[in-house]
Amino acid sequence: SQTIHQWPATLVQPVGSPLSLECTVEGTSNPNLYWYRQAAGRGLQLLFYSVGIGQISSEVPQNLSASRPQDRQFILSSKKLLLSDSGFYLCAWTSGGNQPQHFGDGTRLSIL
Amino acid sequence: AQSVTQLGSHVSVSEGALVLLRCNYSSSVPPYLFWYVQYPNQGLQLLLKYTSAATLVKGINGFEAEFKKSETSFHLTKPSAHMSDAAEYFCAVTSYNNNDMRFGAGTRLTVKP
Repeated sequence: SQTIHQWPATLVQPVGSPLSLECTVEGTSNPNLYWYRQAAGRGLQLLFYSVGIGQISSEVPQNLSASRPQDRQFILSSKKLLLSDSGFYLCAWTSGGNQPQHFGDGTRLSIL
Repeated sequence: AQSVTQLGSHVSVSEGALVLLRCNYSSSVPPYLFWYVQYPNQGLQLLLKYTSAATLVKGINGFEAEFKKSETSFHLTKPSAHMSDAAEYFCAVTSYNNNDMRFGAGTRLTVKP
């Protein structure tokens, strides 16, 4: 069966520090991968998605970036975090087409 | 472009009462619709999906939803609420050739004893 892993589960970072969140999927190949952010009391904001290695589409311009160095690995990064980057970050995958997305357990990011 | 609108950011019901969470979609192509549930500090869990087969879809935890094209709706229902149903619920839409999915703003369900 397929599983998705996100880490870390929680992270507290100072303003201006770098960020690296990792997401990996097991049990499938060539998945579509997604990064979402969920601010407190708000819905999901799609940040990035990828349909293949090295292919990244950005939905919202910001100081975040994403990379897909391997088929089942998706990384969310920042060189300098802002206070507004606080939130709950979710990674998801799908086999594509009309199939549902499957989510990881999320990373709670707090910026101080 | 596709989108969904969830009517009511907060819904409160008594334990044992009917749960009705509303979702309307907008799509220029045949939509595929989903309901997800999110418990605090967790990811989203798929409740059910509509992918153009039966219009009445049954999901996990006793939930079901009916696709009504004439009303562009996909409302989520459960005949009798349990305390464990308290969570945030998201409606989502995609289409066959889409690479992404659009989510509603979510509805927080509270269940009163």
